[in-house]
Amino acid sequence: GQNIDQPTEMTATEGAIVQINCTYQTSGFNGLFWYQQHAGEAPTFLSYNVLDGLEEKGRFSSFLSRSKGYSYLLLKELQMKDSASYLCAVRDRDYKLSFGAGTTVTVRA
Amino acid sequence: IAGITQAPTSQILAAGRRMTLRCTQDMRHNAMYWYRQDLGLGLRLIHYSNTAGTTGKGEVPDGYSVSRANTDDFPLTLASAVPSQTSVYFCASSDSGGGPDTQYFGPGTRLTVL
Repeated sequence: GQNIDQPTEMTATEGAIVQINCTYQTSGFNGLFWYQQHAGEAPTFLSYNVLDGLEEKGRFSSFLSRSKGYSYLLLKELQMKDSASYLCAVRDRDYKLSFGAGTTVTVRA
Repeated sequence: IAGITQAPTSQILAAGRRMTLRCTQDMRHNAMYWYRQDLGLGLRLIHYSNTAGTTGKGEVPDGYSVSRANTDDFPLTLASAVPSQTSVYFCASSDSGGGPDTQYFGPGTRLTVL
């Protein structure tokens, strides 16, 4: 099974950078995903890491260290629309996802 | 292309009643999933189906059943609803053809059991 930890809440100012950490313990690692979920809406895919290193997609980047069981999602040039929950999910060898409880990010003007 | 649709959007249900949540995808994805999302607990997998005709149990399957008669539809049934099944239910699908195999989510069903 998976044990996934991420902070409950984070607050940052518009234009700033925020880093959301995720640690996991897994019995069979097969990829790590980050999803964004606005209040009352469905989760939407942000990023995917299966090898160690940094994946960059515009203002969002995700990093993975498999040996440390650690990932982070970096949000740059924060905008008000980035206020949402960010979900870390680990996939096992059976292609099933286990999700962390999510980190609620509040962007303030 | 609609992607994934779920029905109903929301429902209030008396305890003991039977309820089926519907999920349909038009992306011809092989795999489909049902999750429930509760405050502070995140998304938890209820049941899944890797391909039409097969189903499997997730983390919290008790009190729920599923069927996968064809590729597009994956209904979730609560045989006798209980208040602890009050939650937001999300259906998801993925193309298990390799690569990221990203899961895409439907809009959700908000269920309240009284």
